[in-house]
Amino acid sequence: GESVGLHLPTLSVQEGDNSIINCAYSNSASDYFIWYKQESGKGPQFIIDIRSNMDKRQGQRVTVLLNKTVKHLSLQIAATQPGDSAVYFCAEARHGGGNMLTFGGGTRLMVKP
Amino acid sequence: DTEVTQTPKHLVMGMTNKKSLKCEQHMGHRAMYWYKQKAKKPPELMFVYSYEKLSINESVPSRFSPECPNSSLLNLHLHALQPEDSALYLCASSREGVSNEKLFFGSGTQLSVL
Repeated sequence: GESVGLHLPTLSVQEGDNSIINCAYSNSASDYFIWYKQESGKGPQFIIDIRSNMDKRQGQRVTVLLNKTVKHLSLQIAATQPGDSAVYFCAEARHGGGNMLTFGGGTRLMVKP
Repeated sequence: DTEVTQTPKHLVMGMTNKKSLKCEQHMGHRAMYWYKQKAKKPPELMFVYSYEKLSINESVPSRFSPECPNSSLLNLHLHALQPEDSALYLCASSREGVSNEKLFFGSGTQLSVL
């Protein structure tokens, strides 16, 4: 079936370095993508979203890139901080599908001081 | 107020118990959701309410019964659960419940079924 998945389950980076978290999706009808951050004991927290008519969107210290040709989504975090340590999920939805978000498997980001 | 509040934070129940999870938001959102999340797994959609009407039920067993008393409140009634139902239950809300909306999540209720 259609699915959203991640390439790396765990990513370890040095504080101050940039982080890149990747996500592959298989539903070509998906037209809206969100990145969520989930810290231990908390619910998913919205980070940034992107629609399929864009290939890049920037926020504060975060950038999302969308490559529709290869159905790939990435989250870049600049100058990674200890507070960025969490599990990151990508989620996708398609127009006309109600608001049903399908989550990918998650990547744990560990920031070393 | 940009919070989705869930109570209780933790719940332990036996298989013969009846309990309820509660969720509240005051952002004026008209769509509310229940997700289930097992440890180290992504959240999985259970139910969607849009304008206080159930719009999506993802083939959830009848031992889970959702209720939306008004646009700010969402309940999940639990009865005769199984140990495999132990999970983090997340409530979320969004503005309209239409396509391409971000969801705002609560911190969840950690449920243990003994």
